[in-house]
Amino acid sequence: DIQVTQSPSSLSASAGDRVTISCRASQTINSHLNWYQQKPGKAPKLLIYAATNLQSGVPSRFSGSGSGTDFILSISSLQPEDFATYYCHQTYGTPWTFGQGTKVEVK
Amino acid sequence: EVQLLESGGDLIQPGGSLRLSCAGSGFTFSAYNMGWVRQAPGKGLEWVSSIVSGTPLYGDSVKGRFTISRDNSKNTLYLQMNSMRGEDTAIYYCAKYGDNGRGYKWYLDYWGQGILVTVSS
Repeated sequence: DIQVTQSPSSLSASAGDRVTISCRASQTINSHLNWYQQKPGKAPKLLIYAATNLQSGVPSRFSGSGSGTDFILSISSLQPEDFATYYCHQTYGTPWTFGQGTKVEVK
Repeated sequence: EVQLLESGGDLIQPGGSLRLSCAGSGFTFSAYNMGWVRQAPGKGLEWVSSIVSGTPLYGDSVKGRFTISRDNSKNTLYLQMNSMRGEDTAIYYCAKYGDNGRGYKWYLDYWGQGILVTVSS
């Protein structure tokens, strides 16, 4: 099975900060990596698909980079509504797997 | 507007069976791959099962116990869960796969609100 490891598991930041979250796959997954945001009590929301593509309606402060085994989700200027948990998800090989999540908290 | 509405969640005893349904609307249901993702209380997301071009796929923890199916005439996705265990306790999300028009379909672009399944005696 392909493992995806996110880091950090949590981080504290202030509004306006630039935030980066890393996701590393245990083997190459080309660009089959998606990013989701989840707020408490809510369903996940797609942010980025195929590593670098911004989902329609998602603010441009979110961006994704990487290919192969190493991927980054960046938030250029953190907004109050961005405090949430973020997950990466590989869809290269079944079983498709999620990272363990990164909780972005208020500093 | 795309909507996915799960139903069928319940409290079930270990070893029991349950069927979840997911009614889709606002899109051409038959044209898209569909799947289920679950989240145990306080835990992360776990991919459960998907139906991709008519082929069912399963995560290791549910293989042989769960069966995914769809009825395109009713715009409904199902998850039949048998031999249920305590570790199946979770919120189950139904999700639709996207299609970017350039051949990439391996992402979940819309999710239902989730339905709680509790396995306990």
